[in-house]
Amino acid sequence: AQSVTQPDIHITVSEGASLELRCNYSYGATPYLFWYVQSPGQGLQLLLKYFSGDTLVQGIKGFEAEFKRSQSSFNLRKPSVHWSVAAEYFCAVGARSGTYKYIFGTGTRLKVLA
Amino acid sequence: DGGITQSPKYLFRKEGQNVTLSCEQNLNHDAMYWYRQDPGQGLRLIYYSQIVNDFQKGDIAEGYSVSREKKESFPLTVTSAQKNPTAFYLCASSIVRDGSYEQYFGPGTRLTVT
Repeated sequence: AQSVTQPDIHITVSEGASLELRCNYSYGATPYLFWYVQSPGQGLQLLLKYFSGDTLVQGIKGFEAEFKRSQSSFNLRKPSVHWSVAAEYFCAVGARSGTYKYIFGTGTRLKVLA
Repeated sequence: DGGITQSPKYLFRKEGQNVTLSCEQNLNHDAMYWYRQDPGQGLRLIYYSQIVNDFQKGDIAEGYSVSREKKESFPLTVTSAQKNPTAFYLCASSIVRDGSYEQYFGPGTRLTVT
């Protein structure tokens, strides 16, 4: 079955520390991969996406993610976090053809300590 | 400004009443989606539509209905048959370009049924 796993429900980091949010997927073929961020009570904003090419992708707000085919992973990273990035983060995968539907992970809630 | 609007932001209804959530986009996107978000469960797809006058059930369509009479509009009706309608509802749209795509989200509607 197709699925996306975000193993960390909550993560707490100190301001200025580095961040890595994990995402693993189970899919028949290499899907399109996405990371979104959601502030409380708001919609989702696209941080970055991977379709093909360089496996290290850069996104907005200083985020990056690395696609590792052998590990079926697409982990999100940020070298130094600011309190303003505290939010919920969702990983999603989508088919390369057909219905263009996403499958979302259950999310990781990030807390940043001042 | 282009974007997706959802109204209202908050909606309250009595049990047994149908309620319609509005979703409008001026991005000229062909595809539109409705998701339901519950704490700890990520986003689950209710319905999606890739072209006008056509739509398909998602993973949790029971108790919901949609229409797609215009490209820019995709209203969702939560019927009295939906057993647990209280949730945060998100609308999204996407464009397919050169075989790649990404979904853009509205700000959401929080529905409370008592």
